[in-house]
Amino acid sequence: DAGVTQSPTHLIKTRGQQVTLRCSPKSGHDTVSWYQQALGQGPQFIFQYYEEEERQRGNFPDRFSGHQFPNYSSELNVNALLLGDSALYLCASSTKEEQYFGPGTRLTVT
Amino acid sequence: QQQVKQSPQSLIVQKGGISIINCAYENTAFDYFPWYQQFPGKGPALLIAIRPDVSEKKEGRFTISFNKSAKQFSLHIMDSQPGDSATYFCAARWGSARQLTFGSGTQLTVLP
Repeated sequence: DAGVTQSPTHLIKTRGQQVTLRCSPKSGHDTVSWYQQALGQGPQFIFQYYEEEERQRGNFPDRFSGHQFPNYSSELNVNALLLGDSALYLCASSTKEEQYFGPGTRLTVT
Repeated sequence: QQQVKQSPQSLIVQKGGISIINCAYENTAFDYFPWYQQFPGKGPALLIAIRPDVSEKKEGRFTISFNKSAKQFSLHIMDSQPGDSATYFCAARWGSARQLTFGSGTQLTVLP
């Protein structure tokens, strides 16, 4: 049984560009949450998708948007990239209880 | 109010010793407290979790102690091994989306 998968593994972008990160949830999971983990810090909640809609959002600007597809996979989009957006972006999938994290996508903005 | 404060920031323990990591919170709306282990370059992996109506939970060498009145909880790693060397995060769940608020992490080093 495959766990949560994310792509790409690493990404380098230039300030002002746009980026799309992808996540496939663990089999049987219908809820996907995205977190941002800056170096040396704990993950911070960006938003959660359930039934193809954004259910809850953390303290992140509208430059961060997402989407969930009918197969429960999800995308995170970040527009107008800033240097401060450099981080590990984690996807977590869940049903009703525990959240299981993927390996993350390391985004570097130069 | 949504913060979880974690200490210590780093911890060095001899092989076979006990590692103890502490967390404190303010928000009584938190309803679930998981601990995650993270190795460099990897995503956090769920270790053990507890609900606030339970004072202690043990799984193998890992134990969570929970003090609801003090709003504190801790992770104890018994018989610590070099393979336990990693960063540990406490977290607390809240809200309709059951999102997690994480502590700042503890970097554990177990010396052989």
